[in-house]
Amino acid sequence: DAKTTQPNSMESNEEEPVHLPCNHSTISGTDYIHWYRQLPSQGPEYVIHGLTSNVNNRMASLAIAEDRKSSTLILHRATLRDAAVYYCILRPVRGGFGNEKLTFGTGTRLTIIP
Amino acid sequence: GAGVSQTPSNKVTEKGKYVELRCDPISGHTALYWYRQSLGQGPEFLIYFQGTGAADDSGLPNDRFFAVRPEGSVSTLKIQRTERGDSAVYLCASSLGRTGNTIYFGEGSWLTVV
Repeated sequence: DAKTTQPNSMESNEEEPVHLPCNHSTISGTDYIHWYRQLPSQGPEYVIHGLTSNVNNRMASLAIAEDRKSSTLILHRATLRDAAVYYCILRPVRGGFGNEKLTFGTGTRLTIIP
Repeated sequence: GAGVSQTPSNKVTEKGKYVELRCDPISGHTALYWYRQSLGQGPEFLIYFQGTGAADDSGLPNDRFFAVRPEGSVSTLKIQRTERGDSAVYLCASSLGRTGNTIYFGEGSWLTVV
């Protein structure tokens, strides 16, 4: 499976935008880029995913580089509740049911400073 | 709520004992996953069911670990002859079983082997 590289930790001030980077230089053409986050003492939760175009939803935005070798998760206005570990995951879709397993790295631990 | 439910939430057992962990997926979800998470690490894939059958059990660490899903809904993860190294959070997740569907995680079962 293609790997992703993320910084171990980041800090951001409350109510400011946060840009979480992810490198995936060996991504293949059928790999979707998924982001999950894990709040303390909880299971991971889905944040956003995309293939080639930038994506927006109520939680965040995903900016994907033109060559798809990197992406950035953007939290537009961080709150204390956004403090979590953020995982960038490549999820291959090989046809059929396509529900391949998620392969987690160690993610980025985001700390929000009040 | 209608999320993924895992029981027990906490389990302390003695080395060498047998343990069962239960997962109730979201109603209607055909895909079910088990993950294991050690402190400071990302979740590690164990096994994936599509319906009643194990579509991918490549993550099971050894033959002491076994999982079943006899009716395609509830799943049980079984650990025989527990060892202290089995101490971790065991996470269950489910999805609708179609390409690109979001995977929803439970809060996990914390297992401590003493």
